[in-house]
Amino acid sequence: ELKVEQNPLFLSMQEGKNYTIYCNYSTTSDRLYWYRQDPGKSLESLFVLLSNGAVKQEGRLMASLDTKARLSTLHITAAVHDLSATYFCAVDVGNAGNMLTFGGGTRLMVKP
Amino acid sequence: ETGVTQTPRHLVMGMTNKKSLKCEQHLGHNAMYWYKQSAKKPLELMFVYNFKEQTENNSVPSRFSPECPNSSHLFLHLHTLQPEDSALYLCASSPVLGLFYGYTFGSGTRLTVV
Repeated sequence: ELKVEQNPLFLSMQEGKNYTIYCNYSTTSDRLYWYRQDPGKSLESLFVLLSNGAVKQEGRLMASLDTKARLSTLHITAAVHDLSATYFCAVDVGNAGNMLTFGGGTRLMVKP
Repeated sequence: ETGVTQTPRHLVMGMTNKKSLKCEQHLGHNAMYWYKQSAKKPLELMFVYNFKEQTENNSVPSRFSPECPNSSHLFLHLHTLQPEDSALYLCASSPVLGLFYGYTFGSGTRLTVV
């Protein structure tokens, strides 16, 4: 059974600081996704990582994928309050593609 | 608005009631999904439909019954639910199984079973 584990589960940080969220998964996959969820809202797609060594950046967020280590990271640079949300990683191991198993989420709070 | 619309947004139902959740997308996608999001648990895949055909039933109790009349609409029929079924039910769609685009999610239906 595929397990997807995120850590930390909760992160409180000051504006301007850097931090990394980790996503480990238990079986071979080279397809990993990051989503953001604001309270009471839907999940918004952030990054799609489809190969070993893939790196994507959008604003203050950068995601990477190491398929050999079965690890993805979401790095936050110079955090701002607007980044406060819950971040989910999801791994796709479906034979037909697009069968996502989600991690438990990391709730990020950025304090002014 | 993401392009995937779920109704109702909130639903309170008794354990003996029958209700239905609706999901609609006009993105031209052919795969649709139901996920359950409970407090303190990861999102759980419930059902997958590809071109109106159910391709995945993730050991979901029979009190949840999905229906996909066409590629744009997905329903989740509910009957004799339990309080532990209270959760946020999310619908998602993707262009088609086999292509790695990830999902577009709806805003969810917050279900409370009393």
